[in-house]
Amino acid sequence: QKEVEQNSGPLSVPEGAIASLNCTYSDRGSQSFFWYRQYSGKSPELIMSIYSNGDKEDGRFTAQLNKASQYVSLLIRDSQPSDSATYLCAVTTQGAQKLVFGQGTRLTINP
Amino acid sequence: EPEVTQTPSHQVTQMGQEVILRCVPISNHLYFYWYRQILGQKVEFLVSFYNNEISEKSEIFDDQFSVERPDGSNFTLKIRSTKLEDSAMYFCASSEAMGLYGYTFGSGTRLTVV
Repeated sequence: QKEVEQNSGPLSVPEGAIASLNCTYSDRGSQSFFWYRQYSGKSPELIMSIYSNGDKEDGRFTAQLNKASQYVSLLIRDSQPSDSATYLCAVTTQGAQKLVFGQGTRLTINP
Repeated sequence: EPEVTQTPSHQVTQMGQEVILRCVPISNHLYFYWYRQILGQKVEFLVSFYNNEISEKSEIFDDQFSVERPDGSNFTLKIRSTKLEDSAMYFCASSEAMGLYGYTFGSGTRLTVV
């Protein structure tokens, strides 16, 4: 069974601090990695994608991938109350079209 | 920004009834998907659709489910005989390329089976 694991939280971070979200995956064939943000009752919204080892930065967001450790993370700098949401890690494997999601980490940014 | 449109936003149906959930994917996307999310649980893959046929489906997508692209714009999910456990948010998604660039999700249809 190909799994994506996340700590469900809740993770509470003060406003302005760095929020660090982690995800592990079991399938070594995984090739594409995504972070989605989901507000309560809403659909997933793509915020970051990463395909190769290392860091990828986009504004306040940095995705980090370590394929040897089967680990992907998301850092949110200068956290804002509007960042409070559930963050979903998702992966695809070669030749597969489907996204496999983790259960999500609920993040709360405290003013 | 292009978006995936889903209708209706909320559907209440009686157990045993058929429902059709509708989606209009982004116009230049070639791959279409249905996912569902039971309240408090993971987003789960149901089916992918490419070139007018199902390309992959999950164990959840049994004989009571079907998908169709009846014209050049709509993509539908039919549940033939709904069960209480079909109550969930159903998300349509589309993508330009297989497995790459992430998928764009629609706003979802909340299906409540009573």
